[in-house]
Order: sequence, then C-alpha cells, then structure tokens
Amino acid sequence: EVQLLESGGGLVQPEGSLRLSCAASGFTFSSCVMSWVRQAPGKGLEWVSGISGSGGSTYYADSVKGRFTISRDNSKNTLYLQMNRLRAEDTAVYYCAKPRNSGWIDAFDIWGQGTMVTVSS
Amino acid sequence: EIVMTQSPATLSVSPGERATLSCRASQSVSSNLAWYQQKPGQAPRLLIYGASTRATGFPARFSGSGSGTEFTLTISSLQSEDFAVYYCQQYNNWPLTFGGGTKVEIK
Repeated sequence: EVQLLESGGGLVQPEGSLRLSCAASGFTFSSCVMSWVRQAPGKGLEWVSGISGSGGSTYYADSVKGRFTISRDNSKNTLYLQMNRLRAEDTAVYYCAKPRNSGWIDAFDIWGQGTMVTVSS
Repeated sequence: EIVMTQSPATLSVSPGERATLSCRASQSVSSNLAWYQQKPGQAPRLLIYGASTRATGFPARFSGSGSGTEFTLTISSLQSEDFAVYYCQQYNNWPLTFGGGTKVEIK
C-alpha cells in the first residue's frame, strides 16, 4: 500500500525552528518529485516546496524562500522540511504529497495525514 | 507565479441538483490542471487530473473540462457525500499553485 506518514509537528515560538519528516512506503520514492503543502486553520491549500527525485533541484513558494529547506534521504525513503525563523503565519497543517507519475511534476494522488505546526509564544 | 482564481467561493445547492465550479489561471497551464475534494478533518483527495480525467474511486457524476486558462468542474447530481470544499491546482510550472477553493454546501 502506498503511504506517506508525516511527523515532527508541534508548538514552537516565533523565530524558532522545526524539522518535519515524511516517511514514504509502497512506491519507488527515489523516482518521485515530492512536495510539501500546507493549510492554515480554516484556510485553503498552499504549496510550500518541492524537490526532484535525486534531490538536486529544489523549489519554494515565495512565502518560505530563505527560511525553509526541503531535502530527502532516498536510502531512508524520507522527505524533510527544515523550517527556520518561523512566524505566526506559518501555523498550519503540513502535508507531504506524491505525484501521480514519477519523474516530474504531476497532480498529487497520495497525501499524508498531515502534521500540525503551531507558531506561538 | 500563476495565480489560480476559483468562483464562487461558496455554492449552495440542493441534493440532486447540478453544481458548476469555475477555475481560472492567470496564464495558460495547458491541461495540467487538477481538482481536489476535501472534507473536514481529512487530507485532500485527487478528483480530476489532466483537466478532465477522473481519478480512481470517483463516480461519473463528476466531470472536468477546459484547457489553457478556463476550467470547470461539474457535479451532475449532488449527493450528500459530495458536500465538501473543492480546490483546483495547476502543475504546469513551478511554483505549483492552488485556487482559493469553492465550498459546496447544502441549500
């Protein structure tokens, strides 16, 4: 069964840091362009960041560029999101998402259950 | 960045009626357009990809159309389980972008 399982969310103070993880199973992880998508409470979906299968290319939304870093460990089938200099507006459920087809960007056919990040003093 | 605009923000429909949701892109995304359904407390679920191909598990009452900058999601006869929020998303270019969503509620 294809599965994504996020972890690492929690309560953090403004300007703090947090690292999210997404454990993948049931598919060839190293072939897939993976993304993080977030959803603030009561709000819509916002794509945050994406990474190529090799990890050599990374992409970011302007709202997080320079503060967040996406990475992956293909030997562990795990995707990461390092979040630094967190702001209140980063408070959201963070999902990792897998594209339908490996190799390039595509619609997201598999989503994790999400992990909640709350930025508050 | 490609801006995706969905309308209306909220659609009130009676069960059995037809619902038509719109999504507009600020520049052409070809047919690289997806629709997602999201219910409260759940992750989004892929509904339509390639602008018009239904994903696994969704019945034929859901259909998508359009290309370029104008897209439509139609639910031909709303069932109780269809009341949810629907998002469009373009995957033609980085950064990937979502529309603001349309909430389909019971009239």
